[in-house]
Amino acid sequence: AQSVTQPDIHITVSEGASLELRCNYSYGATPYLFWYVQSPGQGLQLLLKYFSGDTLVQGIKGFEAEFKRSQSSFNLRKPSVHWSDAAEYFCAVAEGPSNFGNEKLTFGTGTRLTIIP
Amino acid sequence: DSGVTQTPKHLITATGQRVTLRCSPRSGDLSVYWYQQSLDQGLQFLIQYYNGEERAKGNILERFSAQQFPDLHSELNLSSLELGDSALYFCASSVGRVDTQYFGPGTRLTVL
Repeated sequence: AQSVTQPDIHITVSEGASLELRCNYSYGATPYLFWYVQSPGQGLQLLLKYFSGDTLVQGIKGFEAEFKRSQSSFNLRKPSVHWSDAAEYFCAVAEGPSNFGNEKLTFGTGTRLTIIP
Repeated sequence: DSGVTQTPKHLITATGQRVTLRCSPRSGDLSVYWYQQSLDQGLQFLIQYYNGEERAKGNILERFSAQQFPDLHSELNLSSLELGDSALYFCASSVGRVDTQYFGPGTRLTVL
């Protein structure tokens, strides 16, 4: 079964500084990978996804993520954070095309991002 | 706005009661997923329906059941509620097979 690890429970970053949120997954075959963001009291918004192809994917709000198969990682990055980026970020994995009929998402425990002025 | 709607937004009820959560997927989406988010368990997959048929089951309790109707909306029924069922319940939808899942705003259930 697949699993996702987000080793950082809470990260504090100054506004304007760069950001990297870590995500490691465990899955034997080709995974589908996602990053979602959840603002307080809100639902989950998709930031970006990786299915195949270019391992560096661009998302909304200036975020990007890089898939590194050798490290089983899919880290999220942003060159300059804004106060509005304060939220909880979730990495998720779905089984790839090899497993028809099992499209559930397995989520990490999330990383809470705090932005300080 | 993801296009996925969930009602009600909040629900407060007592132990032993039964509630129904409703989800309307995005127009054109055939798959509906239910997830539970709680402080101790995190985000957990409960169940998936595709075009009216149950597709996959996760950590869903026997007290919980779901269905997807011909108009593709879905309902999650929670019965014999316990304090530990208090959580945020999300519905998500996607076009079909592994594809982007779009999440609704969630229903916050409080069991007193």
